[in-house]
Amino acid sequence: GDSVTQMEGPVTLSEEAFLTINCTYTATGYPSLFWYVQYPGEGLQLLLKATKADDKGSNKGFEATYRKETTSFHLEKGSVQVSDSAVYFCALNEDSSNTGKLIFGQGTTLQVKP
Amino acid sequence: GAVVSQHPSWVICKSGTSVKIECRSLDFQATTMFWYRQFPKQSLMLMATSNEGSKATYEQGVEKDKFLINHASLTLSTLTVTSAHPEDSSFYICSARWAGRKHEQYFGPGTRLTVT
Repeated sequence: GDSVTQMEGPVTLSEEAFLTINCTYTATGYPSLFWYVQYPGEGLQLLLKATKADDKGSNKGFEATYRKETTSFHLEKGSVQVSDSAVYFCALNEDSSNTGKLIFGQGTTLQVKP
Repeated sequence: GAVVSQHPSWVICKSGTSVKIECRSLDFQATTMFWYRQFPKQSLMLMATSNEGSKATYEQGVEKDKFLINHASLTLSTLTVTSAHPEDSSFYICSARWAGRKHEQYFGPGTRLTVT
């Protein structure tokens, strides 16, 4: 079945460092890909998405490019802030089923130190 | 826009009792709602999908008689944990989507259930 694999955390960075969180997927169809963020004590929020190959999703300085050839959707940010500390989830939605079901990776905790 | 609320945000109950968790879409009509369970430091596990006015579709391994889901209106879905046991203690999260944005789900803040 479809699955999502994220790099294990926690990831600890100093403020203004470059961030990469790796995400790879397996899917039989042509999924849409998402990054969600969960701040402490809050629900998941959609950070960015890409619905087809070579699309780049971006929001709040974060970017991820849908790479079909490497089945990846790595999350990047050029300069992280303390406020970016959160858990980041990569997810896919297998489009052809139209059920809306999301399959999540295991989550990566990011801790940014001042 | 696209706000989803859950109530209660946390609940403690005794073993053997039932607990109801509400999920509401506040500013849109949710044609589909999803219920997830999240264990500490782990990912979200989809429990069931519910469409307004029809029976929920449960994921493999989820007991439908234990986790009763009702999606009675386009803005409300409820999850009832029946005869709760300590192993049911978890973080339960709902999400909702509407027909106009099939690729996006909007998540509630979650409900922390502790069964003693």
